[in-house]
Amino acid sequence: AQTVTQSQPEMSVQEAETVTLSCTYDTSESDYYLFWYKQPPSRQMILVIRQEAYKQQNATENRFSVNFQKAAKSFSLKISDSQLGDAAMYFCASRHSGTYKYIFGTGTRLKVLA
Amino acid sequence: KAGVTQTPRYLIKTRGQQVTLSCSPISGHRSVSWYQQTPGQGLQFLFEYFSETQRNKGNFPGRFSGRQFSNSRSEMNVSTLELGDSALYLCASSLGSGASNEKLFFGSGTQLSVL
Repeated sequence: AQTVTQSQPEMSVQEAETVTLSCTYDTSESDYYLFWYKQPPSRQMILVIRQEAYKQQNATENRFSVNFQKAAKSFSLKISDSQLGDAAMYFCASRHSGTYKYIFGTGTRLKVLA
Repeated sequence: KAGVTQTPRYLIKTRGQQVTLSCSPISGHRSVSWYQQTPGQGLQFLFEYFSETQRNKGNFPGRFSGRQFSNSRSEMNVSTLELGDSALYLCASSLGSGASNEKLFFGSGTQLSVL
């Protein structure tokens, strides 16, 4: 079975500091994709960053980067220089190659303190 | 380019009633997926449609159904509503090719409350 686990229901970070959100997943497939989505109060999910499992290099998008540990099935998100606008729910998700079904974790609520 | 549009934004129903939610995808997108979001459960996959055909289905009872029209707009129906159906229902659209760079674009959801 394909599962995604986020063990941190809530995290806080000071503005301008760095925070890491954890995510572990389980799959028997070798070809899959991993994602982090952000859901602000507007409720509209926004893709933050994505990682192809076959790529060893960790993905980076401006202040957002991932630490992808394939053997450990771990996919954490690091947010550098945190901004007030980063406050939101963050969801980790996975998708097997060739399928159209995304499996999401339960989310981590990130609070950014001024 | 207009985003994914979901209507209505909020809905209040009573137990036993049925409800229909609507989703208009981004122009050119042929795949529409539906997810149920509840606190503590995250997003649960309901089903995915591509060119009017259901390609994937999640583990929800038969009371949850959907369809897609020739213009790619999709509707989701829940019959005989139960209290536990109260949730945010999110719709997402994509090209539907399954390619590695495929992206999901979400709507703002319909918040359903069942009393």
